[in-house]
Amino acid sequence: NAGVMQNPRHLVRRRGQEARLRCSPMKGHSHVYWYRQLPEEGLKFMVYLQKENIIDESGMPKERFSAEFPKEGPSILRIQQVVRGDSAAYFCASSPAFLNTEAFFGQGTRLTVV
Amino acid sequence: GENVEQHPSTLSVQEGDSAVIKCTYSDSASNYFPWYKQELGKRPQLIIDIRSNVGEKKDQRIAVTLNKTAKHFSLHITETQPEDSAVYFCAALNNAGNMLTFGGGTRLMVKP
Repeated sequence: NAGVMQNPRHLVRRRGQEARLRCSPMKGHSHVYWYRQLPEEGLKFMVYLQKENIIDESGMPKERFSAEFPKEGPSILRIQQVVRGDSAAYFCASSPAFLNTEAFFGQGTRLTVV
Repeated sequence: GENVEQHPSTLSVQEGDSAVIKCTYSDSASNYFPWYKQELGKRPQLIIDIRSNVGEKKDQRIAVTLNKTAKHFSLHITETQPEDSAVYFCAALNNAGNMLTFGGGTRLMVKP
């Protein structure tokens, strides 16, 4: 089991470009969570998805940010028209069911907006 | 929604001493409390967790205690070693089981 796979590990984008972050959950896991971590800060919840459904997106900015978890393929976090404040580490976690079982984190994608 | 407070934000101890990190939560319906360790540049990894039906859990040098009445839980590391140096996050799971709220983190430094 390869664990939760995120790519790319590092992503550099110019202001105004789009950033696409991918997360492949562990085999058998159907729940995916995205978190953002600013430098020297904690993990902030963004969005919770199950296959083909967004369950809770209360932590995600209403504009420029979107997420999906299609029936086939990885979960995608998409940030349009990036700004410098979007620079952060973005972690996804997956679990087999609801979170009263262990959630496993990916290695994260470090987004730098220049 | 849930609010998790974590203290202290930084903690420096001498190798061999004990370290204690404390968290409080606001939602009395929360029922699962994991602790994650994050080394520099790496992913958060679960080190221990506790559910609301027990008051204490121990795994070698690590223990966690939970006081449901007071809504706080603590991480205890005994006989600290330099490799324990990392950022530690507590978290609380909401009653619906679909959101982990994290504390702000504690940077633990173990001096040899």
